[in-house]
Amino acid sequence: QVQLVQSGAEVKKPGASVTVSCRASGYTFSSYDIHWVRQAPGHGLEWMGITDPRDGGTIYAQKFEGRVTVTWDMSTDTLYMEVTSLTSVDAAMYYCARSRNWAFDYWGQGTLVTVSS
Amino acid sequence: SYDLTQPPSVSVSPGQTASITCSGDKLGKNYAAWYQQKPGQSPVLVIYQDIKRPSGIPERFSGSNSGNSATLTISETQAMDEADYYCQAWDSTTALFGGGTKLTVL
Repeated sequence: QVQLVQSGAEVKKPGASVTVSCRASGYTFSSYDIHWVRQAPGHGLEWMGITDPRDGGTIYAQKFEGRVTVTWDMSTDTLYMEVTSLTSVDAAMYYCARSRNWAFDYWGQGTLVTVSS
Repeated sequence: SYDLTQPPSVSVSPGQTASITCSGDKLGKNYAAWYQQKPGQSPVLVIYQDIKRPSGIPERFSGSNSGNSATLTISETQAMDEADYYCQAWDSTTALFGGGTKLTVL
């Protein structure tokens, strides 16, 4: 069965960086794009970017350009998203999600990032 | 880019029909999707390509999209349908989400 398994919760200080991983299984990794979506506590969903696993090419939402970097490891079907220069507004649940038929059909379980001094 | 607007909350009695709207300037020209999110859980796709239901989603969930508005309709609403619902569409390769609607079944 299709699964997206994310790394565990993180606690970071302001100004630090965090890396969240997303490992795909149950399907051909290169066949579908992977997206990153975050959700601050009590708030809605915010799209961050899209990665094509065939070549790692990524398009970021404008507000995250320069501060978010996605890399990928084809040998383990895993994507890594790094967010730098963390502030309190970056405290959120971060999700990876697979897109198919113009929708997100599978989601990871989420990675909670806490930013606290 | 364009915004997707949803009502913050909708209330419905058990067994009745709930309708949640999503409005946006270019919505009718793009596919809409809907997600259900319960507390502490990841979102779940309930409608895609305006009207299609993924496998495992009950038939009482339906969708429509025309003009500048998409609608999620839940027929014979059950207590288990109480959740936050988000619409989603595309602007080129950028995904857009509505602000979410809290559905209360009371």
